[in-house]
Amino acid sequence: EPEVTQTPSHQVTQMGQEVILHCVPISNHLYFYWYRQILGQKVEFLVSFYNNEISEKSEIFDDQFSVERPDGSNFTLKIRSTKLEDSAMYFCASSERWDSTDTQYFGPGTRLTVL
Amino acid sequence: DAKTTQPPSMDCAEGRAANLPCNHSTISGNEYVYWYRQIHSQGPQYIIHGLKNNETNEMASLIITEDRKSSTLILPHATLRDTAVYYCIVRGAGGTSYGKLTFGQGTILTVHP
Repeated sequence: EPEVTQTPSHQVTQMGQEVILHCVPISNHLYFYWYRQILGQKVEFLVSFYNNEISEKSEIFDDQFSVERPDGSNFTLKIRSTKLEDSAMYFCASSERWDSTDTQYFGPGTRLTVL
Repeated sequence: DAKTTQPPSMDCAEGRAANLPCNHSTISGNEYVYWYRQIHSQGPQYIIHGLKNNETNEMASLIITEDRKSSTLILPHATLRDTAVYYCIVRGAGGTSYGKLTFGQGTILTVHP
C-alpha cells in the first residue's frame, strides 16, 4: 500500500540554525500539507501546497517557514532560524484531490528538537 | 469548519465494540465528518468519513444521525492495538478551506485486556 514517508525521523538542532524536513508524498497525489504537533498539544495545520504554490497557510506559518517541491517526488519544509518553540513533531500529508471528500494520508512524522 | 465535541477519554474491553461519540451540532449541509486516529506520536491515520449515510469499511463503521448533529464511530471488535486518540473532524466545504484538517483534542480510547 502506498504511503507517505518522512526523513529524518528525528532532527536535533541548535537554536538559530536552519533545518529542512523531507517528505515523499504518495506518487499520484497532487496536494501536499504540513502539520505540526507540539508535545501534549493538538495537531495544527501549517500549510497546503499545490501546483508549486502555497494554497493556504496558518498564522503559525510565518516568514521563517517555507515549502518547496524541488523535484517530482520530494516536498520539503524549511525553517530558516529555529526557535526553542519550534520543537515539535512535524507531519507531512498528501491527497489526490482538493475537496471535502478526499482523504489526506499522513507520514510518520519528524521529531524536531531545538536546543 | 463546524466545531466538534468529543469525550476526553473512554475505556473498552478487548473484543467488545468501542462506540466513540462526536457532537457537531453546527455542521453545514455539505460538510463531511471524518475520523482519524493517532497511536502514540505517530502520524494521524485515516479511518472513515461520511456525509449523511452510514458508512462501513474494513476498520470501522460510522453512524451519522438523521439531523447530522452527531455521529458515532464504531470499532466492532476492539483490540489492544486500537488504543489511540480518536479525532472527529468536520471538513470544510467552502472557499479555500477544503484542504485543512482542524484537529481537536480527540478521545483517548484505552482498550483493556
